[in-house]
Amino acid sequence: DIQMTQSPSSLSASVGDRVTITCRASQSISSYLNWYQQKPGKAPKLLIYAASSLQSGVPSRFSGSGSGTDFTLTISSLQPEDFATYYCQQSYGSPYTFGQGTKLEIK
Amino acid sequence: EVQLLESGGDLVQPGGSLRLSCAASGFTFSSYAMSWVRQAPGKGLESVSAISGSGGTTNYADSVKGRFTISRDNSQNTLYLQMNSLRAEDTAVYYCAKCSGSCYTGSFDYWGQGTLVTVSS
Repeated sequence: DIQMTQSPSSLSASVGDRVTITCRASQSISSYLNWYQQKPGKAPKLLIYAASSLQSGVPSRFSGSGSGTDFTLTISSLQPEDFATYYCQQSYGSPYTFGQGTKLEIK
Repeated sequence: EVQLLESGGDLVQPGGSLRLSCAASGFTFSSYAMSWVRQAPGKGLESVSAISGSGGTTNYADSVKGRFTISRDNSQNTLYLQMNSLRAEDTAVYYCAKCSGSCYTGSFDYWGQGTLVTVSS
């Protein structure tokens, strides 16, 4: 199975901050990397697909980059509604594994 | 509007069986692969199983292989997960997720609200 490793596991930041979360795959996955946001008690929501494409309806402050094994999710200016847990997920090979998550908390 | 509604979650004893259902609407069900993703209490997301639009291709996580069976009824727009030989570690919220075309190289673009499976004596 392809292992996905996110860093950091948790992060404290303030409204207005620029935040970057990284995700590393155990082998090359080309650009088949997706990012999800999950709030407590809710289902995950797709933010970014194919490493850098913004899902319809997602604010433009979210962006993704990377290819091969190293990827990043950037939030350019944190808003109160962005405090949540973020997961990366690869779709290059089944099972379509997720990273362990990054919990973004208010400083 | 895409809607996915899971049902069937329950409290079951170890070794027992359960069948989850996911009723889909708002899209051409047979044209899209579907998946089950679970989340144990306080833990991260785990992709459990996926199935192609026709139902002809399936895959499973090693943790459930041989115990779980994914299937779909395209005439009823419904996805299923038959879970046998349940273990305590199968306790989780189970989400039904639509793939953006194929799950392979695609993404999980819509999710249901989840159904809770608890395995305990």
